[in-house]
Amino acid sequence: EAQVTQNPRYLITVTGKKLTVTCSQNMNHEYMSWYRQDPGLGLRQIYYSMNVEVTDKGDVPEGYKVSRKEKRNFPLILESPSPNQTSLYFCASRRVAGGLGSGTQYFGPGTRLTVL
Amino acid sequence: AQKVTQAQTEISVVEKEDVTLDCVYETRDTTYYLFWYKQPPSGELVFLIRRNSFDEQNEISGRYSWNFQKSTSSFNFTITASQVVDSAVYFCALARSNYKLTFGKGTLLTVNP
Repeated sequence: EAQVTQNPRYLITVTGKKLTVTCSQNMNHEYMSWYRQDPGLGLRQIYYSMNVEVTDKGDVPEGYKVSRKEKRNFPLILESPSPNQTSLYFCASRRVAGGLGSGTQYFGPGTRLTVL
Repeated sequence: AQKVTQAQTEISVVEKEDVTLDCVYETRDTTYYLFWYKQPPSGELVFLIRRNSFDEQNEISGRYSWNFQKSTSSFNFTITASQVVDSAVYFCALARSNYKLTFGKGTLLTVNP
């Protein structure tokens, strides 16, 4: 089954304790992206990657890191989490080959993060 | 810069009513794509439709229909004969050439029995 998976689905942590949220897709998609969803703000892009070893900042990258060492994985790293990073996080992927009209962005199930 | 505006924050209807969710977008690109996603109470994001900037045909899928009007930069979504299972947050989004999705803030639709 084609899917984007995220782990963990729920995480409660404390300020300053480094954490990683994993994202994996099995569709051989080139493009992957992270979003955060906050009440009243919709979804905002954190980072994206057009392919392996190619990453770039989205709209709200402060406090986050990403890496893209393999095509299928795109982990989100919070080196020193703070309470304002409490949010619902979504990973997404889509194909790039064929151009913008060739595919749709598919989302993982979401990770609900609480930083105390 | 791109912007997607969903002016309706919340809508409440009674089952079997028709409801239209509004979406207005801004972009300077000539090629772009518009999307609607549904987020039910369980939290996942479900893709509903994609429409490109060159195709202004309306689309109907069962009880769902979409009206894309380039002249007014709008991409409205209508649910006919709403059902309780339609209760969700609905997001309109815009994608441009760098594949980035810009989302509206969403409309919470509540369908009451």
